[in-house]
Amino acid sequence: GAVVSQHPSWVICKSGTSVKIECRSLDFQATTMFWYRQFPKQSLMLMATSNEGSKATYEQGVEKDKFLINHASLTLSTLTVTSAHPEDSSFYICSAEMTSGRARETQYFGPGTRLLVL
Amino acid sequence: GENVEQHPSTLSVQEGDSAVIKCTYSDSASNYFPWYKQELGKGPQLIIDIRSNVGEKKDQRIAVTLNKTAKHFSLHITETQPEDSAVYFCAARRAGSYQLTFGKGTKLSVIP
Repeated sequence: GAVVSQHPSWVICKSGTSVKIECRSLDFQATTMFWYRQFPKQSLMLMATSNEGSKATYEQGVEKDKFLINHASLTLSTLTVTSAHPEDSSFYICSAEMTSGRARETQYFGPGTRLLVL
Repeated sequence: GENVEQHPSTLSVQEGDSAVIKCTYSDSASNYFPWYKQELGKGPQLIIDIRSNVGEKKDQRIAVTLNKTAKHFSLHITETQPEDSAVYFCAARRAGSYQLTFGKGTKLSVIP
């Protein structure tokens, strides 16, 4: 149990285009999902926290108009990188927090999406 | 805010030996401490966690200890195997908060 999927697993796009990444909790409901960014050999950097049905809360320094987050259901959150540029190339990872049960409040991570902007 | 320090940054052990990774946290209100294992090109996988009302937790070859007074917690892996090689991250979460604060990670290499 507690499986989180991400799609796509990797994507290459041209500069100026937009890319959408999906994060799904497959076998549990997640009121809260998180989006992280990870640079090579570094720790995870929280970008934003999204709650189902409400606007995402962005961390300082993260542009909300560039990284659009939608959390329309208890099992799906999407991150759209708008007008992507080479500096947006990174490993993007989502996590989902279990809403109820013994593992409530435990964050489970997706496998990550590697984005390369040419 | 919370600050989590993790040591060492790299650790090499012989197969079969034990490995210990230590983390300290700054916020005394933190009450949840998970450990994640991340293999190359993959997302972090939760391997064990501990809450502040418990001093130690064990799951087969993996154990975590928590010292609330000193504000530090440690991951212990016994009888290490090559497949334990990965980057390990500790994290802490303040009571009432959603957010995890991560350490910088420890790259563990188990030498056959």
